[in-house]
Amino acid sequence: AQSVTQLDSHVSVSEGTPVLLRCNYSSSYSPSLFWYVQHPNKGLQLLLKYTSAATLVKGINGFEAEFKKSETSFHLTKPSAHMSDAAEYFCAGIQGAQKLVFGQGTRLTINP
Amino acid sequence: DAGVIQSPRHEVTEMGQEVTLRCKPISGHNSLFWYRQTMMRGLELLIYFNNNVPIDDSGMPEDRFSAKMPNASFSTLKIQPSEPRDSAVYFCASSLNTGELFFGEGSRLTVL
Repeated sequence: AQSVTQLDSHVSVSEGTPVLLRCNYSSSYSPSLFWYVQHPNKGLQLLLKYTSAATLVKGINGFEAEFKKSETSFHLTKPSAHMSDAAEYFCAGIQGAQKLVFGQGTRLTINP
Repeated sequence: DAGVIQSPRHEVTEMGQEVTLRCKPISGHNSLFWYRQTMMRGLELLIYFNNNVPIDDSGMPEDRFSAKMPNASFSTLKIQPSEPRDSAVYFCASSLNTGELFFGEGSRLTVL
């Protein structure tokens, strides 16, 4: 069964600097992987998804993620952080037919 | 489209009372998911339905929890009797079998 691990519970960056949120997955087959964002008191929203079409996936709000099979990683990046990016970010993978399993989340703080 | 609609948004009740949470999925979506979110355990999948049929309820904590989906546009999650440890935010999500879930804004439950 596939599982995902988010390596950082909290990441803090300054506005205008790059963002890196790390996610590793475990699976014996090509996975379907996702990044979701959750703003305070809101539900989760899909940022991007990987389904084996291309290893570099572009999402909304300038985010992108690269699937690296050799490292079993699917890290989320953004070149320049904006204050509005402050939120909780979840990496997720499919387990079984369509059971989406989430990592523990990474809280992103943006410093002015 | 109005998105996934959940009610109530907030519920405060006393231990032992019955709690019913409601969800209206996005029209045309054929899968519906109930998740629970707490600080300690993160996002946990409780149960999901496909074409109104429960597919996997292995995440339902115990017999006090039950979920139904009588038709394609409505689902309920019931807790009877409720306990303080059930306090959490309960999310409903729907999808078209693509792995991309659309979440409601959640129902925040506090059991005193």
